Amino acid sequence: GDSVTQTEGPVTVSESESLIINCTYSATSIAYPNLFWYVRYPGEGLQLLLKVITAGQKGSSRGFEATYNKETTSFHLQKASVQESDSAVYYCALGDNNAPRFGAGTKLSVKP
Amino acid sequence: EAAVTQSPRNKVTVTGGNVTLSCRQTNSHNYMYWYRQDTGHGLRLIHYSYGAGNLQIGDVPDGYKATRTTQEDFFLLLELASPSQTSLYFCASSDDSQNTLYFGAGTRLSVL
Repeated sequence: GDSVTQTEGPVTVSESESLIINCTYSATSIAYPNLFWYVRYPGEGLQLLLKVITAGQKGSSRGFEATYNKETTSFHLQKASVQESDSAVYYCALGDNNAPRFGAGTKLSVKP
Repeated sequence: EAAVTQSPRNKVTVTGGNVTLSCRQTNSHNYMYWYRQDTGHGLRLIHYSYGAGNLQIGDVPDGYKATRTTQEDFFLLLELASPSQTSLYFCASSDDSQNTLYFGAGTRLSVL
């Protein structure tokens, strides 16, 4: 079945440093799956951070960006300068015309 | 704003107990989902539904039943709870594109 693998956490970075969380996917049921990043802040449910449904395109939101790379089957999440408020758990996900599948989540802690 | 409400927020039961987790959405969405979140595994799909009376099997259905009584309400039933079902459970809804899921805040279940 379809699956997603992402950077194992926890990840700790200092405020204003750059961030990359790796995500690779395997899609057997569909050639071009939709790709997503969700974020979960403490005590809350997941919320969509960004999505890309076309290979080769980049999505961005709140200073985060991710590019859909069909050749490397990757969708890495990047931010040039993190803030303490970015501390959360980040999930990469894949949509294949069935229920979306999620990665294991990466817990990010940003030190002030 | 899309709203998905889960109840209870926390639940403790004993092995062999009977538990029902509830989820209600006011988004007029056809799709609803139940996931469980475990450290190292991320979100795993238990069951989902695309309308009242419909049920689709997810990736980890063993030990769980689900019922979609109305468009708004989706229930997850554990009829003989086991310690392996101790987890954080998330409900979500989406429209027919399944491009964006809206999540509830989660139910933390402990089976002693």
